[in-house]
Amino acid sequence: QVQLQESGPGLVKPSQTLSLTCTVSGGSISSGSYYWSWIRQPAGKGLEWIGRIYTSGSTNYNPSLKSRVTISVDTSKNQFSLKLSSVTAADTAVYYCARERGEWLAFYYYYGMDVWGQGTTVTVSS
Amino acid sequence: EIVLTQSPGTLSLSPGERATLSCRASQSVSSSYLAWYQQKPGQAPRLLIYGASSRATGIPDRFSGSGSGTDFTLTISRLEPEDFAVYYCQQYGSSFFGQGTKLEIK
Repeated sequence: QVQLQESGPGLVKPSQTLSLTCTVSGGSISSGSYYWSWIRQPAGKGLEWIGRIYTSGSTNYNPSLKSRVTISVDTSKNQFSLKLSSVTAADTAVYYCARERGEWLAFYYYYGMDVWGQGTTVTVSS
Repeated sequence: EIVLTQSPGTLSLSPGERATLSCRASQSVSSSYLAWYQQKPGQAPRLLIYGASSRATGIPDRFSGSGSGTDFTLTISRLEPEDFAVYYCQQYGSSFFGQGTKLEIK
């Protein structure tokens, strides 16, 4: 059974770069019609999708964060990573990684985010 | 950019009652792109429904999804105590989530 685990610093200073890694266990990050996403949730608020990466290396990002986000994948380590630059207090949140799946049938069919990490809290503060 | 608006913001019901949660898109969404999630306090979201109406693995059949175009619905036929949580809809195209509906015990 595939499991995801986020890791990285819990405290980041303003203007610095937030860096998180999601480790995939129980399966290969390269197998199947999967892609890999980051989502965040400020305390008491809703979910915000940050971006995703396909194992081909292509990426999609939330337009509101695109200028500051980089998502990459390291298939040799079975990991994918998030970098968010120039952080402010508004970037304080629980950050989740998740697995998504979709495939082309007669049309594109999306199977949702079916596996999630437990989440890691990142606080931006000096 | 497609915006998803969920209603109501909070729904107060009793166990055993039927819950109907709405997700409205600002423009037409392919049904195959629409998913629903449940989130309990301190936990990661859990996938309930994909393709607007297909239950994810292990999801009880009291959960059902329906809808097309711009209007989608998540229905919980008979509420169990463990169903009180926050529910989000999401569409693949932009991957944006709705703002959530909190289902609370009346």
